[in-house]
Amino acid sequence: QKEVEQNSGPLSVPEGAIASLNCTYSDRVSQSFFWYRQYSGKSPELIMSIYSNGDKEDGRFTAQLNKASQYVSLLIRDSQPSDSATYLCAVKTGGFKTIFGAGTRLFVKA
Amino acid sequence: GAGVSQTPSNKVTEKGKYVELRCDPISGHTALYWYRQSLGQGPEFLIYFQGTGAADDSGLPNDRFFAVRPEGSVSTLKIQRTERGDSAVYLCASSLTSPNSYNEQFFGPGTRLTVL
Repeated sequence: QKEVEQNSGPLSVPEGAIASLNCTYSDRVSQSFFWYRQYSGKSPELIMSIYSNGDKEDGRFTAQLNKASQYVSLLIRDSQPSDSATYLCAVKTGGFKTIFGAGTRLFVKA
Repeated sequence: GAGVSQTPSNKVTEKGKYVELRCDPISGHTALYWYRQSLGQGPEFLIYFQGTGAADDSGLPNDRFFAVRPEGSVSTLKIQRTERGDSAVYLCASSLTSPNSYNEQFFGPGTRLTVL
């Protein structure tokens, strides 16, 4: 079992729809969770971080964390073609090591 | 302010050669990370520095890989006797490590290494 698992996609949604991206992790002691956006040929860009169970909203983005289920998700409301990218889930394990998932490719159709 | 910078942006070398990749973190960030990313994969952790010391080097694949951060700022990743399988994008990230921070990491643009 991979430490951080994501559906590779591609996830295709129409413009204006909600995109839902999911991630599961295996290390129960993980404390910090991050979502990064990566455009093709570019480096990852931090878009959300979450540390407590529940929802955290920032503009069109909402991160959701459920530590009991070892599950973290990212919702993108009013999806735009410019949101088309690979979304990486990252989990900080005990200490400072951060493990990344392989990413989910999102395609927003205009 | 200035973000994380990495040089060179691209490096092409021949199998068996030695390469050095440089990372200049965000000013004031005491934590520095190196990752390697292959096509279609997420970044793979290599090494983490807290100040000048390597706090966790468990991700270095073998003893051909070595990294230093002598003054607690700029870091150099060194790869000896390069192999074709070392070809990847090498990413550097930095973060704060104050008690109130959550170690959000900010990435540089990466160095694309190609070993022929």
